Amino acid sequence: GEKVEQHESTLSVREGDSAVINCTYTDTASSYFPWYKQEAGKSLHFVIDIRSNVDRKQSQRLIVLLDKKAKRFSLHITATQPEDSAIYFCAASRNSNNRIFFGDGTQLVVKP
Amino acid sequence: AQTIHQWPVAEIKAVGSPLSLGCTIKGKSSPNLYWYWQATGGTLQQLFYSITVGQVESVVQLNLSASRPKDDQFILSTEKLLLSHSGFYLCAWSDWGGAGTGQLYFGEGSKLTVL
Repeated sequence: GEKVEQHESTLSVREGDSAVINCTYTDTASSYFPWYKQEAGKSLHFVIDIRSNVDRKQSQRLIVLLDKKAKRFSLHITATQPEDSAIYFCAASRNSNNRIFFGDGTQLVVKP
Repeated sequence: AQTIHQWPVAEIKAVGSPLSLGCTIKGKSSPNLYWYWQATGGTLQQLFYSITVGQVESVVQLNLSASRPKDDQFILSTEKLLLSHSGFYLCAWSDWGGAGTGQLYFGEGSKLTVL
């Protein structure tokens, strides 16, 4: 089955800098790649996603890049703010089923 | 607007005791429903999913079972808890053809401590 690896377990940046979280996947049939944010002690909520028919998507300060050849995707957070501090999970799945596979999460710390 | 409510918020249970966790979705008909388990500080493991009332698919065997008795309700249970069941249980729904086509909307979670 699919295996999603999240390369940074922790990431520390200064407020205002950019943060980049990288993920790789193994299933060439995966076509949907969402990102979720989990603040301390809370549940997950969706932040942004990308589908395999595009290689870049931006929503305000969030940019997702997808490299299908390398089976790699990444989340870029620009102009980081302290409230961006959280655990970020990448995930991957196929269009045709109900299985979604998560990475192990990246703890992002934004220092003032 | 759709809402998802999980109960209880937290439970402390003894090894060998039964467990029932619930999830209700309001404002959305025929959602796809999911249970996830998260060990403390860990990744998310999908446990079950359901596309329609009465039908539940198991993803991993953790001595847990799930049922969908109503369109808007998803129940996770076991008759005998193990220490390894401790963690954070998350219910989620999506409104596309499957988890692969739409985002997941998570409930607030149920924290389970087994002693």
